[in-house]
Amino acid sequence: DTAVSQTPKYLVTQMGNDKSIKCEQNLGHDTMYWYKQDSKKFLKIMFSYNNKELIINETVPNRFSPKSPDKAHLNLHINSLELGDSAVYFCASSRTTTQETQYFGPGTRLLVL
Amino acid sequence: DAKTTQPPSMDCAEGRAANLPCNHSTISGNEYVYWYRQIHSQGPQYIIHGLKNNETNEMASLIITEDRKSSTLILPHATLRDTAVYYCIVRVAINYGQNFVFGPGTRLSVLP
Repeated sequence: DTAVSQTPKYLVTQMGNDKSIKCEQNLGHDTMYWYKQDSKKFLKIMFSYNNKELIINETVPNRFSPKSPDKAHLNLHINSLELGDSAVYFCASSRTTTQETQYFGPGTRLLVL
Repeated sequence: DAKTTQPPSMDCAEGRAANLPCNHSTISGNEYVYWYRQIHSQGPQYIIHGLKNNETNEMASLIITEDRKSSTLILPHATLRDTAVYYCIVRVAINYGQNFVFGPGTRLSVLP
């Protein structure tokens, strides 16, 4: 069974659309994250949630809105998609927020046309 | 910003040990060193982490210098499947949490 899963794996959409990416972890972890990996392959943290509460928001445009219905899920909704949003988005989870190993999902490849 | 420095790329012959260095000269006393790798088109995969002592698991060994300013990840018998980008990470505190800051990593190519 996949520990951290994301859907969809690929997402191609037009500029200006609104889209969502879903993430689920079955590890019983309290903390979940969203990372963005751009065309230069740099991985950057976007958000961190602990027990459904936002604890880190790294200067991400407010077009990006994470939502955590329960601690096993952290979905990422993106409004008014822009060309620069094209990237691979990774979800991750860890047991707690401090000094814990993070487990990553397979990634969602978003292409905005 | 990443607090670590790694060579951008390295080659290693299949079956040989791959030794990947990392400098983290500003590491704090309570910060762990983590190593992850990312195989093409996959999510980052945890390898190993340590604080002061050398660590070993089924994937690799981690050697941390006594002053903790640098470390080396050792893959004892590299295989073609170990070709990946290897990230050395020191956790940093951001606001009320702590998170990984990934640098560009080292692209390891294992050659047949």
